[in-house]
Amino acid sequence: AQSVAQPEDQVNVAEGNPLTVKCTYSVSGNPYLFWYVQYPNRGLQFLLKYITGDNLVKGSYGFEAEFNKSQTSFHLKKPSALVSDSALYFCAVRAPYSSASKIIFGSGTRLSIRP
Amino acid sequence: DGGITQSPKYLFRKEGQNVTLSCEQNLNHDAMYWYRQDPGQGLRLIYYSQIVNDFQKGDIAEGYSVSREKKESFPLTVTSAQKNPTAFYLCASSTGDRPHEQYFGPGTRLTVT
Repeated sequence: AQSVAQPEDQVNVAEGNPLTVKCTYSVSGNPYLFWYVQYPNRGLQFLLKYITGDNLVKGSYGFEAEFNKSQTSFHLKKPSALVSDSALYFCAVRAPYSSASKIIFGSGTRLSIRP
Repeated sequence: DGGITQSPKYLFRKEGQNVTLSCEQNLNHDAMYWYRQDPGQGLRLIYYSQIVNDFQKGDIAEGYSVSREKKESFPLTVTSAQKNPTAFYLCASSTGDRPHEQYFGPGTRLTVT
């Protein structure tokens, strides 16, 4: 069965510092991996995806994520955090050749950037 | 929230009443989804529809029902059989060839007392 874990409920970073939000996954075969962001009382917004190719994926708002097959991880990163990055971040995984219904979301990590 | 609307934003109901949540999209997407979000649990799939007049149960369909009579609309009914209906409900849509890039509506927060 496929699953995704976000081990940190909350990450606190000072503005201007680099940030990392962790995600690990378990899936048979080569996974499709995604990051979404949710601002308060809003729906989720798609940030980036990894399907195949370069392990370093760049997405919206200066975020990037690195796919590491040996560690089964897909951590979200940003070189310099902004206060406006404060939000809830969800990692998601989908097994290849599965239907859309099989996108599994992590429990979310709340990112807080202090000025 | 680009092109997907959910109404109302907040909804209050008494226990034992059915309630219908609206979801409309003007993105010409074939597929639509309903998720439930509870604190600390991420999103869980309730129902999804890949084409008009067809839908499938997700992981937590019990106590819910849906219809897909039009491409643009995918309403969700929370019935009195749903044991714990208070939650944040999110609707999403996607194209048929990129189901993993889902566009989400702003959500409806349902409170049942």
